[in-house]
Amino acid sequence: AIQMTQSPSSLSASVGDRVTITCRASQGIRNDLGWYQQKPGKAPKLLIFAASSLQSGVPSRFSGSGSGTDFTLTIGSLQPEDFATYYCLQDYSYPRTFGQGTKVEIK
Amino acid sequence: QVQLQQWGAGLLKPSETLSLTCAVYGGSFSGYYWGWIRQPPGKGLEWIGEINYTGSTNYNPSLKSRVTMSLDTSKNQFSLNLSSVTAADTAVYYCARSYYTSGSYYNALGYWGQGTLVTVSS
Repeated sequence: AIQMTQSPSSLSASVGDRVTITCRASQGIRNDLGWYQQKPGKAPKLLIFAASSLQSGVPSRFSGSGSGTDFTLTIGSLQPEDFATYYCLQDYSYPRTFGQGTKVEIK
Repeated sequence: QVQLQQWGAGLLKPSETLSLTCAVYGGSFSGYYWGWIRQPPGKGLEWIGEINYTGSTNYNPSLKSRVTMSLDTSKNQFSLNLSSVTAADTAVYYCARSYYTSGSYYNALGYWGQGTLVTVSS
């Protein structure tokens, strides 16, 4: 199975900060990666698919980049509603595998 | 607007079978993958497996011997069975659907059910 190593596991940031989260795959996965946001008690929500495509309705401050083994989720200017846990998920091969998650907390 | 609504027993005893169903509103089965994901309390997400619109399945090897997925297109539902549960299977279980936009299908999980907490305890 492909391992997804996500970092950092948590971070503290202020409203307006630029935030970057990374995921590294144990082998190349082309651009078959999605980023998900999860708030407490809620189902995950798809933000980015195919590594860099923004899902409809997701604010443009979210962006994704990368291909092969290294991927990045960037929040351009952190908003109060962005405090949540973020996960990457590779959908290149089976079994699908998630990163461990990054909890974004208020500084 | 696509909605997934899931249900099933929330409390099981060890060795029993977990059964969950997910109903699909506002969309068809054709072309999509229908998945199950779980999340133990306070932990990360684990992919359990998926079934596509033809009924073809892919399961996580860590659970494969105990998992069965099925779909009922006449009822717009798909289901998960997990046999011989233990306390380690205690988790919130989610159903999900793959994504479609601008004329293309993607494997990303674009729609999710609300989640069902399943607790295994004697």
